[in-house]
Amino acid sequence: DAGITQSPRHKVTETGTPVTLRCHQTENHRYMYWYRQDPGHGLRLIHYSYGVKDTDKGEVSDGYSVSRSKTEDFLLTLESATSSQTSVYFCATSPVRGGPNTEAFFGQGTRLTVV
Amino acid sequence: DQQVKQNSPSLSVQEGRISILNCDYTNSMFDYFLWYKKYPAEGPTFLISISSIRDKNEDGRFTVFLNKSAKHLSLHIVPSQPGDSAVYFCAASVDSGAGSYQLTFGKGTKLSVIP
Repeated sequence: DAGITQSPRHKVTETGTPVTLRCHQTENHRYMYWYRQDPGHGLRLIHYSYGVKDTDKGEVSDGYSVSRSKTEDFLLTLESATSSQTSVYFCATSPVRGGPNTEAFFGQGTRLTVV
Repeated sequence: DQQVKQNSPSLSVQEGRISILNCDYTNSMFDYFLWYKKYPAEGPTFLISISSIRDKNEDGRFTVFLNKSAKHLSLHIVPSQPGDSAVYFCAASVDSGAGSYQLTFGKGTKLSVIP
């Protein structure tokens, strides 16, 4: 399994405060992703990165920003947290596109509660 | 607009029988399809994948079938085991250009295998 570490694993924050979630990988994978999982919605892509400083928006990017200054780290920031951003956040990485290595490897998830 | 659809939120199957999980997609540009399994409080784990140039891929008890004309894929688990009880996500990959690609997930199907 790819070494993917998400931090923190759990967080409770107040509405309007900034929050940063961190994803750290030790596999030197090129692609990194942030998803959120909500009941009735499955996994929805927030942002993704295809290289250092190369990022793009996913399906539900409003209210979120990302940064990738190093291959191993992908940060997700909620500039001003809202209750609708209460969710479980998953980071994923993938080495290459196509062939048997296309699958993405997921972290354990971060449960974020905005009160 | 949901591009990857799993229309059955849940499925119950007797141990030893076949489990068939279905997935439909709308984007004809998808060229790689994957199935993930997710246990509670864990990140999704890759199960099996299939390229759009194939119509079947088999790995042990798991077989994925792809019908491109119908934009439909299915996951067969034979024989089903209680340990297969989990949420199964269908995912599809598309080249987003500039060397990037993203995975789009369905909402998931919760499989319960009854001993």
